[in-house]
Amino acid sequence: DAKTTQPNSMESNEEEPVHLPCNHSTISGTDYIHWYRQLPSQGPEYVIHGLTSNVNNRMASLAIAEDRKSSTLILHRATLRDAAVYYCILRGGAQKLVFGQGTRLTINP
Amino acid sequence: DTEVTQTPKHLVMGMTNKKSLKCEQHMGHRAMYWYKQKAKKPPELMFVYSYEKLSINESVPSRFSPECPNSSLLNLHLHALQPEDSALYLCASSSPGVRWGGYTFGSGTRLTVV
Repeated sequence: DAKTTQPNSMESNEEEPVHLPCNHSTISGTDYIHWYRQLPSQGPEYVIHGLTSNVNNRMASLAIAEDRKSSTLILHRATLRDAAVYYCILRGGAQKLVFGQGTRLTINP
Repeated sequence: DTEVTQTPKHLVMGMTNKKSLKCEQHMGHRAMYWYKQKAKKPPELMFVYSYEKLSINESVPSRFSPECPNSSLLNLHLHALQPEDSALYLCASSSPGVRWGGYTFGSGTRLTVV
């Protein structure tokens, strides 16, 4: 599975936008970019995924670079409940979801 | 029903005990997974079941024995565990062969081996 690189931690303020970066320079043409998050004491939760075009849903937006070697998860207006570990994962043909180290996001009130 | 339910939520077992973890989903997902998560680490894949058949075993020790009795249930049988096996065990499900589909995770069973 192709590897992703994320910052270990990020901090933001409540009600401000948050941009979580992910580098995946070895991504293949068929890899989908998935984002999950894990709140304290819970299992991971699916956030969003995309292939080439930018994607929006009720939780977040995903901006994918034109060369697909990086992507950014955007939380438009962070709340305290968005404090979690965010994982950027490439999912190719295998029936596997392999987690990297993720970014621990802290939201300040 | 859009949930994966795991029982028990907490389990303490001795090294000579036999216990089982249970996972249930009613979303019609035909792929189910076991992950293990140690504190402050990402989840690690253990097993994948696709259409009730074991398709991936990530070289997990034989003291962990998975079972998929039907399309809604997944069990993990535990025997002769070691203290280092203490972890959060997560179950997940998805539609198999759909790379763009999301996984749904349960809240996990927190296992302590004494």
